[in-house]
Amino acid sequence: DIQMTQSPSTLSASVGDRVTITCRASQSISSWLAWYQQKPGKAPKLLIYKASSLESGVPSSFSGSGSGTEFTLTISSLQPDDFATYYCQQYNSYPLTFGGGTKVEIK
Amino acid sequence: QVQLQQWGAGLLKPSETLSLTCAVYGASFSGYYWSWIRQPPGKGLEWIGEINHSGTTNYNPSLKSRVTISVDTSKNQFSLKLDSVTAADTAVYYCARNIVTFGGVIENAFAVWGQGTMVTVSS
Repeated sequence: DIQMTQSPSTLSASVGDRVTITCRASQSISSWLAWYQQKPGKAPKLLIYKASSLESGVPSSFSGSGSGTEFTLTISSLQPDDFATYYCQQYNSYPLTFGGGTKVEIK
Repeated sequence: QVQLQQWGAGLLKPSETLSLTCAVYGASFSGYYWSWIRQPPGKGLEWIGEINHSGTTNYNPSLKSRVTISVDTSKNQFSLKLDSVTAADTAVYYCARNIVTFGGVIENAFAVWGQGTMVTVSS
């Protein structure tokens, strides 16, 4: 299985901050990576697919980059609605696997 | 607009079989893969497996011996069965659909999710 490691596990930030979350794969996954946002009691929401493609309806403040084994999710200016947990997911090979999550908290 | 609505028993005893169903509204069943994903309380996400309209499946090897995913295209539904559950199977279970990008490329990112079903295994 491909292991996905996210860092940090928790991030404290303020409204307006630029935030970066890192996701590393245990082997190359090309660009087959997705990012999700999850709020308590809700299903995850797709933000980014194929490492850098913005899902329809997602604010342009979200962006993704990377290929191979290292990827980043950036929020250019953190908004109150962005405080949540973020997950990466690889879909290069089965079984599909997720990172452990990064909780973005209010500083 | 596509919607997934799921249901099933929420409280099971150890050794029983978990059974969940997900109905698809507002979209064609064919051309996509339909997955089950679970999330133990306070933990991360685990992909269980997927099925397409013709019944082709892929399972997570960690659960493969206990999992069956099936499809009923006449009802636009797909189902999950997980045998011999234990407390470790306690989780919120989600059904989800992958995406088809420009040019008809199927990608296993999940843009559509069910509302989730909390399943608790306890004696």
